[in-house]
Amino acid sequence: DSGVTQTPKHLITATGQRVTLRCSPRSGDLSVYWYQQSLDQGLQFLIQYYNGEERAKGNILERFSAQQFPDLHSELNLSSLELGDSALYFCASSVTGDTEAFFGQGTRLTVV
Amino acid sequence: GQQLNQSPQSMFIQEGEDVSMNCTSSSIFNTWLWYKQEPGEGPVLLIALYKAGELTSNGRLTAQFGITRKDSFLNISASIPSDVGIYFCAGHTIQGGSEKLVFGKGTKLTVNP
Repeated sequence: DSGVTQTPKHLITATGQRVTLRCSPRSGDLSVYWYQQSLDQGLQFLIQYYNGEERAKGNILERFSAQQFPDLHSELNLSSLELGDSALYFCASSVTGDTEAFFGQGTRLTVV
Repeated sequence: GQQLNQSPQSMFIQEGEDVSMNCTSSSIFNTWLWYKQEPGEGPVLLIALYKAGELTSNGRLTAQFGITRKDSFLNISASIPSDVGIYFCAGHTIQGGSEKLVFGKGTKLTVNP
């Protein structure tokens, strides 16, 4: 158990809908990362937050947004969902932004 | 965008054999991390490297942070069936003024008993 908690574990939704994925980082970790992993693909960096502020941005679509709250948990919002958004979404956390990152178990999103 | 070139893409080996995989980049990295991912699970951190030239072991795993800070390798000795999975390298690098944790595309390891 990495100490990073993601909910829900599975999510099935229809095209055009909006979903929110939640991540609770390890105790004491200030930095949260979000990654997307499509079938048999690598980990695509979406966005990183550090202590509530956006720190780095990857190839995140405009339909996607994220935030990190004062209690350091983070949410990834995916809207106007398309079939191609079906993927595993991982959250990772680290103490600062440049130390080892620990991953949650992921949320498997299926858009039908 | 930042690219980490990880090779080989896949490996099929016999139990007991040693394995070597590596990552290279045209840019400098401040840290190198190696992860293992099993189907349906999140990546699990195996080894973290913080200094150029650093050589670190974790059981049968050994990894090195290249002296140029642009590469790293991971060796697995005496492979066993439970070593099966996808191994990812990752590194912290400055990109567009911000530090990002980027990943290689992974090496898929299959171990035949």
